[in-house]
Formats: sequence, structure tokens, C-alpha cells
Amino acid sequence: RKEVEQDPGPFNVPEGATVAFNCTYSNSASQSFFWYRQDCRKEPKLLMSVYSSGNEDGRFTAQLNRASQYISLLIRDSKLSDSATYLCVVNPPNYGGSQGNLIFGKGTKLSVKP
Amino acid sequence: DAGITQSPRHKVTETGTPVTLRCHQTENHRYMYWYRQDPGHGLRLIHYSYGVKDTDKGEVSDGYSVSRSKTEDFLLTLESATSSQTSVYFCAISESKPGTTSGNTIYFGEGSWLTVV
Repeated sequence: RKEVEQDPGPFNVPEGATVAFNCTYSNSASQSFFWYRQDCRKEPKLLMSVYSSGNEDGRFTAQLNRASQYISLLIRDSKLSDSATYLCVVNPPNYGGSQGNLIFGKGTKLSVKP
Repeated sequence: DAGITQSPRHKVTETGTPVTLRCHQTENHRYMYWYRQDPGHGLRLIHYSYGVKDTDKGEVSDGYSVSRSKTEDFLLTLESATSSQTSVYFCAISESKPGTTSGNTIYFGEGSWLTVV
């Protein structure tokens, strides 16, 4: 099982739609979780952290299921400007050395159409 | 913006030549990272630094070396560039090791596009 897996998409949705992305991770002891957004030919930017109790930021809701080792991102009322690639990011246990550095999923591409 | 500047932003070089990419930060963050991003692979860590003169290897360090002589600068060197090193390279910084402080994560520079012909 790969460390962090995402459906690559693309997800093609109309404006106003609700879309959900899932991400699974292999290391059950992982400690921190994030969603990043990356526009074409741009750097990844932090969208939101994912907390155990779930968290919301405007139209975006992130949830964590530790038992099943997956993270989700829900986008409500999609906008054209939401079109981007969404990266799932996991922080495995910090055992020193290169351990503990962030592991990035390959990303899920979202295209919101008029 | 995270106060990270990468240079050069775009470079075309020939196989076998040395190449150095520079990352400069104005945030005084302790941790700095070099990633490469390729289609089908996502972001992969090359090297990282946890302080001046303190560096360690990442997942794909072969063919790369790094140096950090000042807090603000982290250099990535390809001693003898190969076509397999054609990629986009991102520098990133973090105040502390990700995950050690609640919500702490890393911030990226704008990227350096390198083509080895």
C-alpha cells in the first residue's frame, strides 16, 4: 500500500456542485494531516489543516477517520476559481532523520465548469 | 506570501554541467527543504536542513548535494546534470518540524523549472 493515495481524477463538476475527495494513508501512527491546493504551474499552498474532530473553513470541510486511515475534503457550492489540484499531505511519526517529514499524495485534479 | 525566493526560476542546461539552485528566505525559519515534482510522482523530498550546516537526505537524494551556510540560504547543487533531473524544483520552509507544533506545516517557494538537454 502506498503511503498516501488519492484518486487522481479529474473531477469535472458544474458550478455550484458539491464535490468530495478522499485520501488514504498507510501509517496508522501518522500525526498531522493537511490539504494543499496547487494551481497549474504554481507552488502548492496550504488550504487547511485536518483536525481529529473535523473542521470547516467557509465552503471547505475536512474530516479525519483514524480507524479507517482516510482523510476527506468536501467543497460545497463549487466556484470556477476552485479549479486546481488538491494534495493530501500526511506527517508520519517523527523517529528522527528524514522520518517525520511530510508525505504528499499525487493530487486530485478538480475542474469546475460554468 | 511566505517570503521565499528561488533563483533561477527557469534554466536550460546541458547534460554533464553543474547546476546550482538557490533558495532565500526572509522568515528566519529553521527548517528548509528541497522537493522535486514530476508527473506521476507528486512531490518528493530531495534534501532538507534543520539549521546552519545541518542537512539530511530525503527520499530522492542521489545526484544532489546541498549546503546551508546561512539561515536564510539553502543551495541545491546538481554536480553533473542528467536528463532524469529535468523537473520543477520547489524550496520550502517551516518554523519547526511539521507536526511537532499543532497545525505547523511548510510553505513553498514559486518553483524553479529546470530542463536538462
